[in-house]
Amino acid sequence: GAVVSQHPSWVICKSGTSVKIECRSLDFQATTMFWYRQFPKQSLMLMATSNEGSKATYEQGVEKDKFLINHASLTLSTLTVTSAHPEDSSFYICSANRERGEKLFFGSGTQLSVL
Amino acid sequence: RKEVEQDPGPFNVPEGATVAFNCTYSNSASQSFFWYRQDCRKEPKLLMSVYSSGNEDGRFTAQLNRASQYISLLIRDSKLSDSATYLCVVNNAGKSTFGDGTTLTVKP
Repeated sequence: GAVVSQHPSWVICKSGTSVKIECRSLDFQATTMFWYRQFPKQSLMLMATSNEGSKATYEQGVEKDKFLINHASLTLSTLTVTSAHPEDSSFYICSANRERGEKLFFGSGTQLSVL
Repeated sequence: RKEVEQDPGPFNVPEGATVAFNCTYSNSASQSFFWYRQDCRKEPKLLMSVYSSGNEDGRFTAQLNRASQYISLLIRDSKLSDSATYLCVVNNAGKSTFGDGTTLTVKP
């Protein structure tokens, strides 16, 4: 069964609204979670590393005020796409691992479509 | 130069064929290596970890050459269900870097 749960799977929203995506580790505590974005026929692009109890670490070119990350507990990280626009439409995926450097478990992804 | 580079593909092969994917990485301090499989609009799923001694799992064989900073994946007796994108992943100090993926299509 899934060890990382991600919700929602699909979101369709109007331009200007904010969308929150949740990522939960189900049977382990994850001090670190990762958020990715994937455009069609392209690879995963790491957006940020979510750190429990502290600020997220964003990759170069990713706007932290646009993509708000909160990692308030050892099993939950959230990504909020603020004031979403059509160009934010993408597949967003989270991941976590039990131990640093070990294999990643991925959430099932969220397909965001901004109209 | 990208940190992790893969054969761009696409690879189109008949059922039963043997196909090999290659991946190179630039950071010699990289510590762990993986192959993931991703189906369209789905999350990546671990195919296998890659060890220096090489490892095999059924029809799949992975090799790591640290000296050449090179990873490979060999698929024997390809099945239709092997059609997917294969991602090479290299981890250093807890951070995973993904290759762009190689697309495989196995045809009847």
